[in-house]
Amino acid sequence: QVQLQESGPGLVKPSETLSVTCTVSGYSISSGYFWGWIRQPPGKGLEWIGSIYHGGTTYYNPSLKSRVTMSVDTSKNQFSLMLRSVTAADTAVYYCARLNCTGGSCYPDYWGQGTLVPVSS
Amino acid sequence: DIQMTQSPSSLSASVGDRVIITCRTSQNIDNFLNWYQQKSGKAPKLLIYAASSLQSGVPSRFSGSGSGTHFTLTISSLQPEDFAVYYCQQSSSIPSITFGQGTRLEIK
Repeated sequence: QVQLQESGPGLVKPSETLSVTCTVSGYSISSGYFWGWIRQPPGKGLEWIGSIYHGGTTYYNPSLKSRVTMSVDTSKNQFSLMLRSVTAADTAVYYCARLNCTGGSCYPDYWGQGTLVPVSS
Repeated sequence: DIQMTQSPSSLSASVGDRVIITCRTSQNIDNFLNWYQQKSGKAPKLLIYAASSLQSGVPSRFSGSGSGTHFTLTISSLQPEDFAVYYCQQSSSIPSITFGQGTRLEIK
């Protein structure tokens, strides 16, 4: 059974960098699939942040691209998100997910439980 | 960019009702449309992929249909555990993905 678990900072100050890591169990990241980050501000909808392949190729949401870096560590079976220069608008639950991309479609089929990252001084 | 419009944004229904949620896209996406259920405080759960394929373990009262720009999620007979928020999702440019704005399904 594929399981994902986010670990985050708990609280980030405005203008600082948010860092969240996703640890995958039950499946080896290096075996394939895209892995992604999705966020949800309190009471709002879902926003895709970016996706990364096990070889390190990344794809970012254009609206966040200038502030986002994603990376993968296959030795630890983890992938990570960094979001720079955060503001209160970046307060959200951050989810990691496995993306099943086949036949022209791509969808998250396994999700972590999410980690709430407030941005506040 | 492909725009997605879910309707209604909220819906009140009773246990046993048949419910239909609609998702429209601004461009043809063939059958590359997926549906999720999200309960309060939980991660979204995949219900339907490729417009009409039922994800393993999802009850058969959930069904999806459509292609091109018009898609529907149908719950044939609402159960108490079905009250949640539902999202459609598409991936016009793999592996980027986009979600609809959500439909909140509430108990009447």
